Amino acid sequence: QVQLQESGPGLVKPSETLSLSCNVAGEGISRYYWTWIRQPPGKGLEWIGYSHYTGSTDYNPSLRSRITISVDTSINQLSLNMNSVTAADTAVYYCASGSDTGHYMWWGRGTLVTVSS
Amino acid sequence: QSVLTQPPSVSGAPGQRVTISCTGTSSNIGAFYAVHWYQQLPGTAPKLIIYDNNNRPSGVPDRFSASKSGTSASLAITGLQDEDEADYYCQAYDSRLGTYLFGSGTELTVL
Repeated sequence: QVQLQESGPGLVKPSETLSLSCNVAGEGISRYYWTWIRQPPGKGLEWIGYSHYTGSTDYNPSLRSRITISVDTSINQLSLNMNSVTAADTAVYYCASGSDTGHYMWWGRGTLVTVSS
Repeated sequence: QSVLTQPPSVSGAPGQRVTISCTGTSSNIGAFYAVHWYQQLPGTAPKLIIYDNNNRPSGVPDRFSASKSGTSASLAITGLQDEDEADYYCQAYDSRLGTYLFGSGTELTVL
């Protein structure tokens, strides 16, 4: 079992940087591909990217220039930084554990981030 | 517009069987990448109900099953129950886009 809990500011101003954290409890962080997925209000799911404990990362090409995802194994925490945000980045952001075949068994409850001045 | 296309909505009466299609292309479902399915109840995080094309995680009823053929996949729910009313998403990797994709989502209504 894995428990995930996202945290971060609920409101970010346009052009600023969105920073989120996800605390991982339960099974060791040195196992999955720790992933961020988002869902704009009333819309579908969008894969953002992952970080593996080995240091490997992969990002959605449409977001790659603006995001950094990292895992800190010393504190069992996943992080997401997204710069130059716009209203289009308003969404519920989920962290999830990714398997080798790309499915996500464990999800956090999600945190709503609104981009607005 | 998602590359993985699902019907916006399906409906069925309690006890009936419904299917939800997920139509992809040769660079995702047709490229033999695994297809996964999620159920999302209102206001909650998605829940994995099918992984690797046709496997159910522990605790998911056997009323849920899935299949894949060519560039399409399908989720079937038999013995429909009120608690099945939710949004359903398929998911697969796309080699042309270089990213994991989610389907456009299907809203299931239990009549």
